[in-house]
Amino acid sequence: EPEVTQTPSHQVTQMGQEVILRCVPISNHLYFYWYRQILGQKVEFLVSFYNNEISEKSEIFDDQFSVERPDGSNFTLKIRSTKLEDSAMYFCASRETRGRAGQPQHFGDGTRLSIL
Amino acid sequence: GDSVTQMEGPVTLSEEAFLTINCTYTATGYPSLFWYVQYPGEGLQLLLKATKADDKGSNKGFEATYRKETTSFHLEKGSVQVSDSAVYFCALSGNPTGNQFYFGTGTSLTVIP
Repeated sequence: EPEVTQTPSHQVTQMGQEVILRCVPISNHLYFYWYRQILGQKVEFLVSFYNNEISEKSEIFDDQFSVERPDGSNFTLKIRSTKLEDSAMYFCASRETRGRAGQPQHFGDGTRLSIL
Repeated sequence: GDSVTQMEGPVTLSEEAFLTINCTYTATGYPSLFWYVQYPGEGLQLLLKATKADDKGSNKGFEATYRKETTSFHLEKGSVQVSDSAVYFCALSGNPTGNQFYFGTGTSLTVIP
């Protein structure tokens, strides 16, 4: 069964540094998402992406964050000038189409980001 | 706004015990409801879903019924196994696009032999 893959599985970064989290969505999917989960808290929506542009974003997704689909397969989340509170598990997800009720999102295994 | 409230964990059960994990939601309109499961070291996997009131989602012996009158989508299994040990997440996607998912905090289940 096709999978969403994320790399790296664990990223350790010094505060203030930039980090790029990478995702390869399922190949025929058109909608891509990033979520994060701070330890012990809810999985929170960050951003959705379609047709090479952001379609929705949450209040969390401020100017510190950006997303990109640099080629036909990768989908990246960049965090500039990381802060301690950015430490979390980051999940990438993809979905085949948008308009059908009940269509699930397919998730990767996540990248654990630790800011020191 | 849309939200999901999920039973706090952790939950520890003996093998073959009955499982219920409560989930209630707040949403405008008619959301779709999901249960995802996360096994140790893995990502979120879709367990089951329901798209309208009174629908029952089922998979691997797990069931959940979409109850509009109580805004609930409780997860149940009649006889749990050690292999069911995982974290379970209730989620909803709102209408009309269903683009954004809202998750509960997750409930950790440990099944002991």
